[in-house]
Order: sequence, then structure tokens, then C-alpha cells
Amino acid sequence: GAVVSQHPSWVICKSGTSVKIECRSLDFQATTMFWYRQFPKQSLMLMATSNEGSKATYEQGVEKDKFLINHASLTLSTLTVTSAHPEDSSFYICSARVPGKNTEAFFGQGTRLTVV
Amino acid sequence: GQQVMQIPQYQHVQEGEDFTTYCNSSTTLSNIQWYKQRPGGHPVFLIQLVKSGEVKKQKRLTFQFGEAKKNSSLHITATQTTDVGTYFCALWRNQFYFGTGTSLTVIP
Repeated sequence: GAVVSQHPSWVICKSGTSVKIECRSLDFQATTMFWYRQFPKQSLMLMATSNEGSKATYEQGVEKDKFLINHASLTLSTLTVTSAHPEDSSFYICSARVPGKNTEAFFGQGTRLTVV
Repeated sequence: GQQVMQIPQYQHVQEGEDFTTYCNSSTTLSNIQWYKQRPGGHPVFLIQLVKSGEVKKQKRLTFQFGEAKKNSSLHITATQTTDVGTYFCALWRNQFYFGTGTSLTVIP
């Protein structure tokens, strides 16, 4: 199956700093990637849809200036958490779907962010 | 937006017992997918159902799509400790909509 690679798998940062998370599709081109946030024992909450070559589409309630998304190529999308605060601590996970009908989501390994 | 409800939210079973999680939608679905997320891991695709009334099996796992294509179920026979995790149903409609998930704990 297709492979989506996400880095880093975990990161600890100080309050006020920014953290960049990378999501790469290794063996297919992904014009669209999805970024999720997952709280403990909860489902995946879609934050934004990343579109190659254009602006990301953010879900209601997600601050686009705080969660910067860049999709500069067909294989790479990045999520930058700017001016991180402890409440931003969470599990962030990306996914991509091989273009076509009735295909499944391939997920990155996820990034555990802890802001201290 | 599209909502997909799953029940139960949590399930604790003794190893060897069966387990079932149900996924319900208020609208007719073109397809339904199932994912498993191990503790600390990421969701992994299990299967996709497309046809009304479809039943698919993967070893001890049985997946079913309702006749009206508004609900689906995942049944595990004789659970093992390796079945521990959260099971999500999901549908694709310009984006993936994930169910609320069912967290399965298997007691050895």
C-alpha cells in the first residue's frame, strides 16, 4: 500500500516557540493532504485540508494564523504550530488519499507535541 | 456536516469473548471504511464496503454494510489481546468523516 511519512514522531518545545511538522507521501503524489488533531481517547478532528499549490482550507474554529499549512509540492505538506502554548499539546496526524475512486486514507505516524 | 456515530464508545471484554461495534449515519452512504488504531499508533485501514448488504471477512473479523447503506458493523470473534485498540468507521465525501470510535480493551 501507499506510504505516508510524518516527522517528527514526537517533539517537546517551550511556550512561545514554533514547531514544524512534515508529512510526505513517499510513493504517490498527493494533491490533497489532511491534518488532524486527536485528543486522548477521542476521534480524529479534522483541522484543515492542505491543497498543493493553493491555500489550505481550515475547519471552523481552527486558527489559520496559528496553524500554518504549506503544501509546496505534490509529496510534502507541512503544519507549523506558531507561538505554541501548553494547550496546543496534542497528537497531530496527517493523512493522504491516493487519487481515484473509493480509495482509503493512509496516515502518517503522527506527532506527539508537548509544549512546556 | 456529515456525522457518523459509533457505539459503544468503550468496550471491555474477556479474552475469547466476542466484540461488536456499530456505525450509524443519518444519510445513505456510498461506502464505509473501517480503521484500527493501536494505542499510541496511527489509524490503519482495514476494509471498505460498498454494496448494500455486503459482508466481508478477515479471519476473525466480520464487516457488514446495512441493506439501506446507513449503518455498518464490525464483529470480532473470540477476541485476543492483539485486538486491543480503537476501531473507527469512516466515510469519504470530499473529505474523510470519522466515527467517534470504539475503544476495545481485552482482559487476558
